[in-house]
Amino acid sequence: SYELTQPPSVSVSPGQTASITCSGDKLGNRYACWYQQKPGQSPVLVIYQDNKRPSGIPERFSGSNSGNTATLTISGTQAMDEADYYCQAWDSRTVIFGGGTKLTVL
Amino acid sequence: QLQLQESGPGLVKPSETLSLTCTVSGGSISSSAYYWGWIRQPPGKGLQWIGSMYFSGSTFYNPSLKSRVTISVDTSKNQVSLKLNSVTAADTAVYYCASSTGPVAGWYFDLWGRGALVTVSS
Repeated sequence: SYELTQPPSVSVSPGQTASITCSGDKLGNRYACWYQQKPGQSPVLVIYQDNKRPSGIPERFSGSNSGNTATLTISGTQAMDEADYYCQAWDSRTVIFGGGTKLTVL
Repeated sequence: QLQLQESGPGLVKPSETLSLTCTVSGGSISSSAYYWGWIRQPPGKGLQWIGSMYFSGSTFYNPSLKSRVTISVDTSKNQVSLKLNSVTAADTAVYYCASSTGPVAGWYFDLWGRGALVTVSS
C-alpha cells in the first residue's frame, strides 16, 4: 500500500523559513495537499494541488511537489503557525495521510 | 456557506456498531461538486481516512476498515452517515466529516466539521 512519510517534528525561529517534507513513491506524479491542525481544532486545508492556496490562507504558505517529495514552506514563520501539519495524496482510489509533523516555533 | 456538523453517541460498547451522522447545511448533498468523507483521529495520533462517498452512490473505503464500514447518504435529510461495526477500543477517536473534491482534482478536503469524539468502552 502507498505510504507518505513526514518528519515527526520541525523547529524554526520566528521570522525564519520552515520547510516540512512529505515523501512517497513518485509523489510528484500525483497531487499533494497540506493541512494545518492546532490543538483541539479541526484540520484546515492550507495547500491543495501541490501549490495552490485556498482563500484566506496567508501568502507565507507555499508548496511544491517533484520527484518523490512534496514540501510545505512557511516563510516568515509566526508564532501562530505552531501546529501539526499533515500531507495527503491518493492512490488506487484510497486517500492517504502522512503521519504528521509538529512544527515548533521557538 | 457550506457547514458540516457531526452527531451521534459519544460512547459505544465493544463489539457494537458506531453510528454517526453528518448534517450538511448551506448546500445540497446531491451537488455534483462534492464528495463526502469521514476521517478519524485517535487521541494524540494522526489522521486516518475512513471512506468517501459521491452522491451518485459511488463509495470508496480504506482497505483496512472496508469490511466493517458503511457510508451512506440521505438526500431527504441532507445527511451523510457512517456505520462502523464490531468496534474495539482501537476505534476510539475523534470522527470528522469533510467535503472534498473528486480524485481527478486531487481529492483534497476543503471543509471539515468540528468532529465528534467517540469512546469505545464497556
